[in-house]
Amino acid sequence: DAGVTQSPTHLIKTRGQQVTLRCSPISGHKSVSWYQQVLGQGPQFIFQYYEKEERGRGNFPDRFSARQFPNYSSELNVNALLLGDSALYLCASSYTGLDTQYFGPGTRLTVL
Amino acid sequence: GENVEQHPSTLSVQEGDSAVIKCTYSDSASNYFPWYKQELGKRPQLIIDIRSNVGEKKDQRIAVTLNKTAKHFSLHITETQPEDSAVYFCAASIIQGGKSTFGDGTTLTVKP
Repeated sequence: DAGVTQSPTHLIKTRGQQVTLRCSPISGHKSVSWYQQVLGQGPQFIFQYYEKEERGRGNFPDRFSARQFPNYSSELNVNALLLGDSALYLCASSYTGLDTQYFGPGTRLTVL
Repeated sequence: GENVEQHPSTLSVQEGDSAVIKCTYSDSASNYFPWYKQELGKRPQLIIDIRSNVGEKKDQRIAVTLNKTAKHFSLHITETQPEDSAVYFCAASIIQGGKSTFGDGTTLTVKP
């Protein structure tokens, strides 16, 4: 079975630009969560979606937005990039959002 | 909001020794406590989890204990092996699969 997939693997952007990260959940999973992991720290919760509806939002500015599509894949958008947005962005999926999460390999975003 | 503190930040043991990593949490409503192992450049992988109605859970060489009164939980690894070397994260959430708050990680090094 394919696990959670994310694209792209790596991304380099400059300050002020916008970025879109993509996540495909495990087949059958209807919930996707996004996390930001800054080097040397634990993942920080950004969003959770279930059945295309936002179920939870972490303490991130409005520059961060996300959506989930009918096929349960998801996109995370970050506008007006700052140097501090440089991090590994992890996607995790689960069946209902109330069970075990499985993480994808992440997208490494570097903002110059 | 929830705050999770994890100690120690680094831990070095000899092969065959035991390793213990401790976490404390602040939100008494938290009910689900997973532990993740993250090898360099790879995704976090769930290694064991515990719910608040259980005081201890064991899976081969790995065990987790939970003290809800004191709001702390611990990961115990016995008979450590070099392949146990990784960063370990604890997390807490009110519901399984929901918004998880992570500790900052413990870098475990097992010396052959």
